[in-house]
Amino acid sequence: GESVGLHLPTLSVQEGDNSIINCAYSNSASDYFIWYKQESGKGPQFIIDIRSNMDKRQGQRVTVLLNKTVKHLSLQIAATQPGDSAVYFCAEIVYGGATNKLIFGTGTLLAVQP
Amino acid sequence: DAGVTQSPTHLIKTRGQQVTLRCSPKSGHDTVSWYQQALGQGPQFIFQYYEEEERQRGNFPDRFSGHQFPNYSSELNVNALLLGDSALYLCASSSRIRENTEAFFGQGTRLTVV
Repeated sequence: GESVGLHLPTLSVQEGDNSIINCAYSNSASDYFIWYKQESGKGPQFIIDIRSNMDKRQGQRVTVLLNKTVKHLSLQIAATQPGDSAVYFCAEIVYGGATNKLIFGTGTLLAVQP
Repeated sequence: DAGVTQSPTHLIKTRGQQVTLRCSPKSGHDTVSWYQQALGQGPQFIFQYYEEEERQRGNFPDRFSGHQFPNYSSELNVNALLLGDSALYLCASSSRIRENTEAFFGQGTRLTVV
C-alpha cells in the first residue's frame, strides 16, 4: 500500500550544527515530494519540494536529496537554529484523476539544544 | 492577504454528537482538502473538494462528510462521534489551475470527544 515513513522519530542537535532528517517512501510511481515543518499548535508549513527528475534541490539553509533507487528522501538543515525545533514531515503527492492528495509520514521531532 | 483560516480552534464534544468544522481557503485558491492528524502521527487525507464536489476520498467512513460553497469555503461534518475521532483536523487549500502547487494549511481545529 501507500506509505511514507521516517527512520528517526526524534533528532536532537546542538545549535549551529547541521541536521539531517530521513524519510523512506514506498510508491515508486510518485514523482513529487514535499517537506513540511509543523510547530506546536500550528498547521504544517511548506519548506521545500522536489520532483522525481531531480536528485537535489537547495533552498535557504535547507537542501532536499532524493534517491529514487532506494526510495529515500532527506532534508538537510544547515546551521540549525532554535527556531528550527519542530516536527518535520515528508509527504508525497498521489494523483487520483483530476485531483491529488498528500501522503504523510509519521514525522521526526527535531530538538535544537542551545 | 489572509491565509487558510479554520474555525473553531478548539472544540469538545460528547460521543454520539455531531460536529461541523469550517475552513476558508487562501485567496485565489479553489480547492480544499481535509486531513485528520492524530497525536504523534502525520496527517491522514480525508477528502478533497473542487467546484463544490467531493473529488477524492481517503479511507474514512461515511460518518465523515463535507461541503464546498460557491465562495470556495468548506465544511467538514462528522456524525455519531467516537472517542477515536479526537484529533487535529487540518484544512489545506490549493489552486486547481496550477498543478502541483503548494498546499497551504490552516492552524487546524483540535477536536476532543469525551
